[in-house]
Amino acid sequence: GQQLNQSPQSMFIQEGEDVSMNCTSSSIFNTWLWYKQDPGEGPVLLIALYKAGELTSNGRLTAQFGITRKDSFLNISASIPSDVGIYFCAGLPYSGGGADGLTFGKGTHLIIQP
Amino acid sequence: DSGVTQTPKHLITATGQRVTLRCSPRSGDLSVYWYQQSLDQGLQFLIQYYNGEERAKGNILERFSAQQFPDLHSELNLSSLELGDSALYFCASSGTGVDGYTFGSGTRLTVV
Repeated sequence: GQQLNQSPQSMFIQEGEDVSMNCTSSSIFNTWLWYKQDPGEGPVLLIALYKAGELTSNGRLTAQFGITRKDSFLNISASIPSDVGIYFCAGLPYSGGGADGLTFGKGTHLIIQP
Repeated sequence: DSGVTQTPKHLITATGQRVTLRCSPRSGDLSVYWYQQSLDQGLQFLIQYYNGEERAKGNILERFSAQQFPDLHSELNLSSLELGDSALYFCASSGTGVDGYTFGSGTRLTVV
């Protein structure tokens, strides 16, 4: 099946630093999504991207849908302690219809050092 | 509170046993999805139901089955459990569009 390669696996940063993570795929995705998961909770949607080249912001978060439709990145500016968690990219494959189950990357674990 | 309710929150059972996980979708959502989250495989899509009918299948084992009832709640049945089935199981629901795709808090299954 399709796979999303997400990197880095983990990041150790200082509070106030900017963060960048990305996802790549060997096949085209029609929709890219970025989620955050806190311990003991389900993933929560941060940003959804629907068009190649699209750049979308949500507060200090900015995400882009790559023009090849095979990649996406997420930036977090001026990180704060509550940004700690696991960030997942997810995608829906390019298709005319069919399964709506999301394909997820393996996550980026963000740790903020005091 | 996401509006998607999963029960139980934790479940410990022995190998070979059978368990049922339950999900109540957000009010008005017709689609229910089940995902398995394990340390080595990450979040894997298992199965989707839409208004009572199976709509899509992902990486769901034959030992696992699901159904969606007329009141739209869904159950995931896991049978002949193995140690490797220990994982977090998430349910998500959606109305129309990916924006509304909402996850519950999950059921942590431990098989001993």
